[in-house]
Amino acid sequence: DAGVIQSPRHEVTEMGQEVTLRCKPISGHDYLFWYRQTMMRGLELLIYFNNNVPIDDSGMPEDRFSAKMPNASFSTLKIQPSEPRDSAVYFCASGLNTGSGNTIYFGEGSWLTVV
Amino acid sequence: GDSVTQMEGPVTLSEEAFLTINCTYTATGYPSLFWYVQYPGEGLQLLLKATKADDKGSNKGFEATYRKETTSFHLEKGSVQVSDSAVYFCALNNQGGKLIFGQGTELSVKP
Repeated sequence: DAGVIQSPRHEVTEMGQEVTLRCKPISGHDYLFWYRQTMMRGLELLIYFNNNVPIDDSGMPEDRFSAKMPNASFSTLKIQPSEPRDSAVYFCASGLNTGSGNTIYFGEGSWLTVV
Repeated sequence: GDSVTQMEGPVTLSEEAFLTINCTYTATGYPSLFWYVQYPGEGLQLLLKATKADDKGSNKGFEATYRKETTSFHLEKGSVQVSDSAVYFCALNNQGGKLIFGQGTELSVKP
């Protein structure tokens, strides 16, 4: 399996611009997660989906952030407008029926810098 | 709510030293427990897991035992290598669909 695929790997954008991060989960997985990692705050869960439906978006920092999962093989995380404090590594992860014992697999991350 | 607490880093060891990274958790019920590793510039990779009390997870010379009586899942390795330098995350899954992570512990191994 190709694993979780994220794009872009690196993005540098100017403050105020729209940023779209993309994720292709592992085929057959029914959970998809978006995490953000910074030195100051560590690893934060932003939102997760089950069968393409958002289950918990309580970690989304504010209305500038939105996430969609139009089908089982694709998800986006959008920031509009972007701000320098959004600079972070954004990870997408997927899992299958994550009850006891099931495992979540991470992508390589999208490294975002907002200047 | 559920939570995971790890020992603070960074942990600095010499090559071939014994490693312990402490992890304790708070959770209702019977969560599954995980250790993930993050090498510089990469995403998190599953290192090992345990799904019930007294289970021992092991991989690449690392091991951790699920101790329900002490609510712990400490990571150990008998002889670390320079290539083990990374950040290690303890996590739990309590049937809620998501992983709850500790804050991560950075390990630096010197030759």
